[in-house]
Amino acid sequence: DAKTTQPNSMESNEEEPVHLPCNHSTISGTDYIHWYRQLPSQGPEYVIHGLTSNVNNRMASLAIAEDRKSSTLILHRATLRDAAVYYCILGGKLIFGQGTELSVKP
Amino acid sequence: DAGVTQSPTHLIKTRGQHVTLRCSPISGHKSVSWYQQVLGQGPQFIFQYYEKEERGRGNFPDRFSARQFPNYSSELNVNALLLGDSALYLCASSFNVWVTGQGWEETQYFGPGTRLLVL
Repeated sequence: DAKTTQPNSMESNEEEPVHLPCNHSTISGTDYIHWYRQLPSQGPEYVIHGLTSNVNNRMASLAIAEDRKSSTLILHRATLRDAAVYYCILGGKLIFGQGTELSVKP
Repeated sequence: DAGVTQSPTHLIKTRGQHVTLRCSPISGHKSVSWYQQVLGQGPQFIFQYYEKEERGRGNFPDRFSARQFPNYSSELNVNALLLGDSALYLCASSFNVWVTGQGWEETQYFGPGTRLLVL
């Protein structure tokens, strides 16, 4: 199974954009890139996914490198409610790593 | 629309006992997956079922088993409970779509989990 690498933690200020990176150098051609987040005491929540092209939805944007070996989740304006662990995952069988713990300062 | 539901929400068992956890997927979803999340770690994949057939299995002992019913709900069974089985057990359902040339496209939607404590 292809592996992802994310920073353990990141910090952001409220109302500012946040760029959460993910490296996946061994991604296969058919692997979708999924992002989930998990708020404290809750199950993971789907954020966004894509294959090759950049994707936008009401929660976030996903920027995928041309070689697909990395991607970036973009939260355009962080709020306190965005504080969570963010997971970058490849393919349909979700193999969760440690994720990035995002803290948001008021 | 109702999301993924799981029961019970909390459970306390003692070592050696058996436990059954239940999951109802989102209406229209035919795939159910189970995950174990130990405190401080990401969820670990246990099983995936699609159309009542096992489609994938993680690195868990045979004490863990699951099944999917005709209505696509699912049960996870754990026998001979150990202290280390204490965790949050998550169920996720998905509507799998095969995209030609791209593979399975499936977004999983998680339930709130069942918190199991083994004493």
